[in-house]
Amino acid sequence: DTGVSQDPRHKITKRGQNVTFRCDPISEHNRLYWYRQTLGQGPEFLTYFQNEAQLEKSRLLSDRFSAERPKGSFSTLEIQRTEQGDSAMYLCASSFLTSGGPIYEQYFGPGTRLTVT
Amino acid sequence: GQQLNQSPQSMFIQEGEDVSMNCTSSSIFNTWLWYKQDPGEGPVLLIALYKAGELTSNGRLTAQFGITRKDSFLNISASIPSDVGIYFCAALGGTSYGKLTFGQGTILTVHP
Repeated sequence: DTGVSQDPRHKITKRGQNVTFRCDPISEHNRLYWYRQTLGQGPEFLTYFQNEAQLEKSRLLSDRFSAERPKGSFSTLEIQRTEQGDSAMYLCASSFLTSGGPIYEQYFGPGTRLTVT
Repeated sequence: GQQLNQSPQSMFIQEGEDVSMNCTSSSIFNTWLWYKQDPGEGPVLLIALYKAGELTSNGRLTAQFGITRKDSFLNISASIPSDVGIYFCAALGGTSYGKLTFGQGTILTVHP
């Protein structure tokens, strides 16, 4: 059983460039979450999907951010026109929803460290 | 908005000592989770709590879901050097069924 994987692990980009991150959840998990973590803080929720439907978005997710999960499997998070304030660790997590109700345990990937210069 | 106040912010202990940390909130939550994070890695789930008053153990770790549903604590017994890391509480509740709210973390240092 492989865990949540994220790619790339590190990304350095110049201000104004677009970046895209990928997350592959645990194979049987149908819920996928994106969080952002800055140094010295706990992760902050950005958005989550149930299968391919995006169910909730945080106000942190400005119009420069877009997330997709087109086939209900992997997800991408794109940041357009990056700013220095976007520098952070972007974490993906997944969990499993059953007919008996959701399992709320979220399992995290290793994260993508973004540095905007 | 919902916030979790986690304390202490940091702890420096000797190997073999017991550790206790807690999270409090003014909001009611339905699920409490505790995670450990090593530098440069994602959080790793340690314990999940689903019922008020629930006490759950995972090896040397014990966590409780507060009876008011507004707090939780984590105890680590007989600490070892590999317990070093940042511990986060996280909670789920209110109107969101997906959003985890995290505490600020407790940095644990264990001296051999």
